[in-house]
Amino acid sequence: KNEVEQSPQNLTAQEGEFITINCSYSVGISALHWLQQHPGGGIVSLFMLSSGKKKHGRLIATINIQEKHSSLHITASHPRDSAVYICAVSGSNYKLTFGKGTLLTVNP
Amino acid sequence: EAEVAQSPRYKITEKSQAVAFWCDPISGHATLYWYRQILGQGPELLVQFQDESVVDDSQLPKDRFSAERLKGVDSTLKIQPAELGDSAMYLCASSEGLQGLLSYNEQFFGPGTRLTVL
Repeated sequence: KNEVEQSPQNLTAQEGEFITINCSYSVGISALHWLQQHPGGGIVSLFMLSSGKKKHGRLIATINIQEKHSSLHITASHPRDSAVYICAVSGSNYKLTFGKGTLLTVNP
Repeated sequence: EAEVAQSPRYKITEKSQAVAFWCDPISGHATLYWYRQILGQGPELLVQFQDESVVDDSQLPKDRFSAERLKGVDSTLKIQPAELGDSAMYLCASSEGLQGLLSYNEQFFGPGTRLTVL
């Protein structure tokens, strides 16, 4: 069983919809990361959080340490949000363990 | 804005040939990571450097892969000989360090090198 599980694996939405991607992990962590990867591209760090909630523009990330669960929300989705969203956790050694990613497609 | 640089962006090679990838981390970042990402999967760590020293290379296939960071700045990852299964995206990332504030350890990724082995 992967230490980091994401759901859904694939998500298709219409422009303007509110989107939620979930991440569950099974180990103790020092931080959880949400990353974005466009097709054929490198990875961009969206959030790094260890508690509570962070907001950046239309993106919101939350984490519940007790439940070992995090969510990434996108409000008013846009086709340019189409990408793979990857959840990763880091432990005491700061080594990242990645989920397999969620492929998001936002249609106009 | 400071970025992690990688080259080449794309590499096509035949099996049994040697290939090399280069990474220049963000200036001042002590920790450098090489990851391999197979299509449809998350990245997996190949090697981690702290300055010029290897911190973790437990997942590096050392019979064919080698990595160095001689002056503790830029780094080279080499594969010799390349095999069909090595086709993947090779990502480099850097962070300020391994200890201290959480933000000190945020990793910044380069654009990656996509390797195709024929």
